[in-house]
Amino acid sequence: KAGVTQTPRYLIKTRGQQVTLSCSPISGHRSVSWYQQTPGQGLQFLFEYFSETQRNKGNFPGRFSGRQFSNSRSEMNVSTLELGDSALYLCASSWDSRGEQYFGPGTRLTVT
Amino acid sequence: GQNIDQPTEMTATEGAIVQINCTYQTSGFNGLFWYQQHAGEAPTFLSYNVLDGLEEKGRFSSFLSRSKGYSYLLLKELQMKDSASYLCAVGKAAGNKLTFGGGTRVLVKP
Repeated sequence: KAGVTQTPRYLIKTRGQQVTLSCSPISGHRSVSWYQQTPGQGLQFLFEYFSETQRNKGNFPGRFSGRQFSNSRSEMNVSTLELGDSALYLCASSWDSRGEQYFGPGTRLTVT
Repeated sequence: GQNIDQPTEMTATEGAIVQINCTYQTSGFNGLFWYQQHAGEAPTFLSYNVLDGLEEKGRFSSFLSRSKGYSYLLLKELQMKDSASYLCAVGKAAGNKLTFGGGTRVLVKP
């Protein structure tokens, strides 16, 4: 069974631009969660989507948004990029609410 | 809110045992999770505790005490490949929202 895939793997953007990251969960998984990982703040929860609905949300500004499609694939969007948005963005999928999540390789975003 | 504390770094010798402690304060609880993350890689799931007690899975064991807000991960018969960061995470009451601690970097020396 294929694992969680994320595209692109690396991205360089300029302040003020916007970016869209994509995540394909493991086949059959309906829950997709997004996390931001930085050396200073560690791994922080952004949001979770389940059956195309946002089920949980972290404490990030409204510039961070996401959505999930009927095939469970998910995208997250960051608008008006700031230098502090430079991070590794990880997507994780899960079959249910037990929390055993499977992480993708991440997208390394650099904002200059 | 949720506050999760774990040591920043630990060093141990190959073949030895290491215990990584995690304390948490939380509103809403749906389990305590441990993940392993090697440098430059994604986290991988190790264990899940929702009831008090010890869960054993091969060389790894995890313990939970909900009344004390305390968990530990025990790594036995340490191998060089166990050098990694170990992340403690608390699950919210519903859904898959995980709040992670800062991680404990374990260095295994020969």
